[in-house]
This record gives sequence, structure tokens and C-alpha cells, in this order.
Amino acid sequence: AQRVTQPEKLLSVFKGAPVELKCNYSYSGSPELFWYVQYSRQRLQLLLRHISRESIKGFTADLNKGETSFHLKKPFAQEEDSAMYYCALSSGGYQKVTFGTGTKLQVIP
Amino acid sequence: DAGVIQSPRHEVTEMGQEVTLRCKPISGHDYLFWYRQTMMRGLELLIYFNNNVPIDDSGMPEDRFSAKMPNASFSTLKIQPSEPRDSAVYFCASRVQGSPGNTIYFGEGSWLTVV
Repeated sequence: AQRVTQPEKLLSVFKGAPVELKCNYSYSGSPELFWYVQYSRQRLQLLLRHISRESIKGFTADLNKGETSFHLKKPFAQEEDSAMYYCALSSGGYQKVTFGTGTKLQVIP
Repeated sequence: DAGVIQSPRHEVTEMGQEVTLRCKPISGHDYLFWYRQTMMRGLELLIYFNNNVPIDDSGMPEDRFSAKMPNASFSTLKIQPSEPRDSAVYFCASRVQGSPGNTIYFGEGSWLTVV
């Protein structure tokens, strides 16, 4: 079975402070990991995926297979980063996609 | 493409009534997912289809929930009878196998309130 855990429901940081949203997963094979973001009154949308090793809007995430983690990081938080963030795992022949429970990021001005 | 289209956007219904949520995936996408979003549980996968065939419905809460995909451009999620605890936002999403990163595209959601 595959599982995604986001331990924090709410994370509040001050503008300019570093951000780390935690994500741990369990899956016996080789998963694909993603971060999705949902801004207020907008659709859920892809932020980044581990396979691309990209930086989007200043966010990065590194897959650590030893710790089975895929934490999302940004060195300096901006007010526009306030949103709901979901970590997701895609796996198996039929590419089942499982999401974590989400973390609400609140950036305080 | 208009993206994934869901209807209704908002629905308020009385306990015991039947609720039908509808979804039109992006043309050409061969996967369709139904998710439920609540404050307590976040985003839960209810069921997903590949080429109109249900692959995994283990997330469907109970027999009151059913989903169909009669063709590649339409899917329904039905709750009968509805209960107050079914109140949530229901998202439909679609994806095409082999797309860059296998990105999922979400609809805007159907906000269901059962009173």
C-alpha cells in the first residue's frame, strides 16, 4: 500500500523566513513524487515534481529515498506563497496517485 | 481546452436525497480520478478509471457511493442516500499516460453541503 504523510496541518512563517513543508511517503517500489498547490479560490495545480529536479517560484524539493521524504523548501517566504500544499505519490502500473492530507502555509507580513 | 469541467459547482441538499456530480475530463486524457477534500482528511482518492474502466475503488467510503464512466468524456459520482458527513468538496481530475511528469489536471470542484 502507498501512503503519504504530511505531519503539519498549518505552518505559519514570517515573510522572508525560510519554509519547509514536510512530506514522508511509504511505498515499496520506485514512486514519482509531486507537490501540488491550491491558492485561494483556485484549482489544485502542479507545483513541481521530483523527476524534473526543478525550482518553481523559488521552491525546491529533493527526494530522499533513505528517509522516504520529499520535503518542500523555499529560502525566503513571500506573502503570495500562502496556500494549501499537497504532497502526492504516483506509483504502480496504473499510476495510482495518492495525496497527503495537506499543509496550509500562512505567510505573515 | 477548457480543462476539466465539473458540475454542479455548488449543491445544497437535504439528508437522504440523491446527489449526482458530473465531470468532463480533458479530451484525450485516459485517466480520470475522483477525490474528496475535507478539512480533517485532506484530499482522499475515492476511485479512478483508466480508459473508462474502474481500476481502484477502494477509497469509496461505502455502498452509498458509486461512480461510472460510460464514455471517455463523461463521468458521474453518485451518493444515495446522502448524509451530512458527505459534505465536502469533490474534485474530478484527469491525466494522460505518458504526459510530462504524468501531471494531473483538476477541475474546480463541486462543493456539496448536506443538511
